[in-house]
Amino acid sequence: ETGVTQTPRHLVMGMTNKKSLKCEQHLGHNAMYWYKQSAKKPLELMFVYSLEERVENNSVPSRFSPECPNSSHLFLHLHTLQPEDSALYLCASSQVYDGTDTQYFGPGTRLTVL
Amino acid sequence: AQSVTQPDIHITVSEGASLELRCNYSYGATPYLFWYVQSPGQGLQLLLKYFSGDTLVQGIKGFEAEFKRSQSSFNLRKPSVHWSDAAEYFCRADKLIFGTGTRLQVFP
Repeated sequence: ETGVTQTPRHLVMGMTNKKSLKCEQHLGHNAMYWYKQSAKKPLELMFVYSLEERVENNSVPSRFSPECPNSSHLFLHLHTLQPEDSALYLCASSQVYDGTDTQYFGPGTRLTVL
Repeated sequence: AQSVTQPDIHITVSEGASLELRCNYSYGATPYLFWYVQSPGQGLQLLLKYFSGDTLVQGIKGFEAEFKRSQSSFNLRKPSVHWSDAAEYFCRADKLIFGTGTRLQVFP
């Protein structure tokens, strides 16, 4: 596989469920990102990991919990979500984290919370 | 505060017509600038980027963008649009700031 992959592509969950989103990058990059994309809203940066350390956490509710076990993998653990959390969750990676580097995006996970 | 503005939420063009998508930035210095495209159900794909040097930047799929410091703009252009160009287009500056996107619809 090449580029950035995300699984699952679609997820439907109830508010009491616990699920995880997975992202894997095959580009040898050192920074990984989670974004939330909702209809008619700007792309919201959720978390940034650089060299496996979290460097940004943009006031995201604690029901979202990221994990970066190594530079190639990034997870987003979900629990007790709300219907307003339904969105497309995009993962991205870049060679470095300095705000200027080109990001490469995965196809996203379409999440629906019932 | 630094920001990126895409004034047009939705643009419709006929296939074969020329296209210009607007992007304005508000930054203290010249930012790094990017254009991405997102097809339905997909992630964002980089079209082109500007860091410095020649202000006219060529990208993939026949797109180009011109950096104009005097207008704080980085507009995306294509001389002849194809139906497959229908998608959402995002402008981005450094510090990971994205515009709200412009949805392009192409009529045959």
